[in-house]
Amino acid sequence: EADIYQTPRYLVIGTGKKITLECSQTMGHDKMYWYQQDPGMELHLIHYSYGVNSTEKGDLSSESTVSRIRTEHFPLTLESARPSHTSQYLCASSESAYQETQYFGPGTRLLVL
Amino acid sequence: AQKITQTQPGMFVQEKEAVTLDCTYDTSDPSYGLFWYKQPSSGEMIFLIYQGSYDQQNATEGRYSLNFQKARKSANLVISASQLGDSAMYFCAMRESTGRRALTFGSGTRLQVQP
Repeated sequence: EADIYQTPRYLVIGTGKKITLECSQTMGHDKMYWYQQDPGMELHLIHYSYGVNSTEKGDLSSESTVSRIRTEHFPLTLESARPSHTSQYLCASSESAYQETQYFGPGTRLLVL
Repeated sequence: AQKITQTQPGMFVQEKEAVTLDCTYDTSDPSYGLFWYKQPSSGEMIFLIYQGSYDQQNATEGRYSLNFQKARKSANLVISASQLGDSAMYFCAMRESTGRRALTFGSGTRLQVQP
């Protein structure tokens, strides 16, 4: 069973606000990921990290940024939220072993008005 | 580039019956991993089952089994004895063999189990 947490679960915010979506895992996994998912659609990778001080952009262009200062923590920040950022954001982590199953947090549903 | 195709947007199944959710994939890598996830209406992604490209036997996890046909590049999920709680979106995904090791997802199948 995986222990990966995301806060907040739901966020309604006005255009132009700065927001940070939190993601933490207690499994000591090296690899962490952020995916974006519109309702009923597939997930798209927006950021990933191999470990501390390692961050890279994913396939889907995103105006968000991430940081990885501690192994267990991988926050995502939007400097100026816009309605086009309305979506669900899912964080995942995996260990560096053969199967490398990604375990997901509960997700953050963001609505930008 | 990797691609996952799920051709069934929605499926219905009667409670206690078995159901097969289709997944085909495309990759030029000889080594890859295939996953199935369940996403209830609450939004979290729940890992169900994994199949490695070099695994000789089809994976099984309780009521879930993966019908892996490598030559046809298919990895169908079979759910036996469906329960009402199985109603959810189901996503097939492939893990890259090198580099990011990220997942590429299909578009999903919405399964509804009817009493």
